[in-house]
Amino acid sequence: AQSVSQHNHHVILSEAASLELGCNYSYGGTVNLFWYVQYPGQHLQLLLKYFSGDPLVKGIKGFEAEFIKSKFSFNLRKPSVQWSDTAEYFCAVNGRNSGNTPLVFGKGTRLSVIA
Amino acid sequence: NAGVTQTPKFRVLKTGQSMTLLCAQDMNHEYMYWYRQDPGMGLRLIHYSVGEGTTAKGEVPDGYNVSRLKKQNFLLGLESAAPSQTSVYFCASRRLAGGPREQFFGPGTRLTVL
Repeated sequence: AQSVSQHNHHVILSEAASLELGCNYSYGGTVNLFWYVQYPGQHLQLLLKYFSGDPLVKGIKGFEAEFIKSKFSFNLRKPSVQWSDTAEYFCAVNGRNSGNTPLVFGKGTRLSVIA
Repeated sequence: NAGVTQTPKFRVLKTGQSMTLLCAQDMNHEYMYWYRQDPGMGLRLIHYSVGEGTTAKGEVPDGYNVSRLKKQNFLLGLESAAPSQTSVYFCASRRLAGGPREQFFGPGTRLTVL
């Protein structure tokens, strides 16, 4: 069965600090990988996605993620966070060749950015 | 396009009451999903549908039923609500083929069962 682990439950950073959120997945096949963001009181929005090609993926708002196949990882990074990045971040995976499998989500990492 | 919409936005029920949550999408997506979100648990899949007239169980289906009578709508029913079903419910949809199968989410329904 697919599973996703997000290592950090809550991360607190000062503005301008660099961010890296860990995500590891377990799946016995080729995968599509996603990072979603949920701002307070809002629904999930797609930050970035990977399905093939360059393992370094750039998303919106200066976020990027690197797919490392050998480590089953898809960590999210941002060089300099802003207060407006305060949100909950979810990593998700599904199988690329498995037809209709829904996304499997990690438990989320809450990011608090303080001034 | 409105994308994915959910009705209602908020609801308070008493234990044992029933209700139906409505999800609608105008993107002509084949697949639709119902998730619940609880603190520290992430999103857990309740039921999903791969097309009109078909449904399947997800990770946490007990206590819920669903129906997909029209392609654009996916209903989630609670026949006899329990306090354990207090949660935020999100609907999502995606297209059948092409691309990395990104799911689009609705704004959520916050349900409290007393």
